[in-house]
Parts: sequence; structure tokens; C-alpha cells
Amino acid sequence: GAGVSQSPRYKVAKRGQDVALRCDPISGHVSLFWYQQALGQGPEFLTYFQNEAQLDKSGLPSDRFFAERPEGSVSTLKIQRTQQEDSAVYLCASSRTSAPSGFRQGGYTFGSGTRLTVV
Amino acid sequence: AQTVTQSQPEMSVQEAETVTLSCTYDTSESDYYLFWYKQPPSRQMILVIRQEAYKQQNATENRFSVNFQKAAKSFSLKISDSQLGDAAMYFCAYRTQSGGGADGLTFGKGTHLIIQP
Repeated sequence: GAGVSQSPRYKVAKRGQDVALRCDPISGHVSLFWYQQALGQGPEFLTYFQNEAQLDKSGLPSDRFFAERPEGSVSTLKIQRTQQEDSAVYLCASSRTSAPSGFRQGGYTFGSGTRLTVV
Repeated sequence: AQTVTQSQPEMSVQEAETVTLSCTYDTSESDYYLFWYKQPPSRQMILVIRQEAYKQQNATENRFSVNFQKAAKSFSLKISDSQLGDAAMYFCAYRTQSGGGADGLTFGKGTHLIIQP
């Protein structure tokens, strides 16, 4: 597609519910990143994929967070047993080439995010 | 670990005037990338300008330019001839050049830019 598409745009979950957030990167983009942006804060890195391989998951805040990209295109971020502190905007970004060379060509393309509210 | 600090939570400027947004960072690395991103209410992060640390020349993109002071670890963004469409949150970001396991961007907390008509 022309841009990075994320769905749903808004999600309200009851505490304890499992959620799945979807990211459709730009076709052919090798690198895919997930970020968490709490209200009034800058985005924080969660995890990074190069094709289907999850090369860095150091930013995932707990074992309730799980991400996958089984065919190297669409990615899903799953949060189990959601807590109120999980409320945030979850941003996905993709890059045509693998980091770091991709940054010489303009960096990431971000999606518009999913705003998750846990009540 | 690298940190990025934006000390101005909010800035206001008259339309057509010039404004400078501040950013400082802390790192022990010599090679890295710095970015300014714009985030309008649509939430999509839009790349404004980027700078490679090994380049001494300051990056410019039309009305946007940076003042990169490597020794001082400072990376400010200057917006000339401010336009109403420039109103947004602006985030400074750092990225290591070394790759490997440290592939994510480190962002500051952002500066909310208001354009007064």
C-alpha cells in the first residue's frame, strides 16, 4: 500500500481482556518497528523485525506483550490480560531496507497508530 | 543508554516568524543519527529532517534547518517563515549507527508548537 496502515484506530478494552493490534507495512519493506506512546510522552521502542525475524524485543514491558510477523509482511502486537498502564498509542513504522542503512534514505514511515484505552 | 531531552514543553510563534526548538542528547557513541519528527493530531510521525553525526554540515530542508553541535550534544531545529500547518508536536530522536540489537529510535518528550495567526 501507499502507507503504513494500522487497525483498529481506536480500541477500548476491559482490564484483563486480550487485544491484538495490526500493522500493514508498506509493501516490500524489510524492517518493521513497534512503539508505545503514553499520553504526553514521546514514543518508546518496543520491538523490531527484519522480515519475519524478531531481532530485538528488548523494549517489550512484560511477558504479556507479544509480537509476530510470520510472513515478513503484516505484524500483530498482542497484549494479554491488559492493565490500565497499557493505555497508550501504539505506533508501527516500517523501512525499505534493514537498519541502519535505511536511515540514509529517509528513516521510517510511521502509521497513524492505535489508541488503546483500558478501562 | 542514550537519552534525549527536550526542555521546552510548549513554544508559540507568530505566523511568518522564526522559531527554534531545542534538543540535547547524551551518548558515548561517536557515530549516530539524529532526527526531528512532526506529529500532528492525526498521530502519524512525519520525518522533518535528519542529520548524520559524521557530517559537519548542518542539514537543511526548505524552511527547516538544524544547528548540530556535536561536542555540546545539541541538535536544535529552526523553522523559518512559520506557517499554520507547522503547528504540531515535534520530537527529537536519536538512533545508534552501530545496528545489531539496538535498532530502535530514542525519542524526547516532545515540544508542542503553536502558530499564532
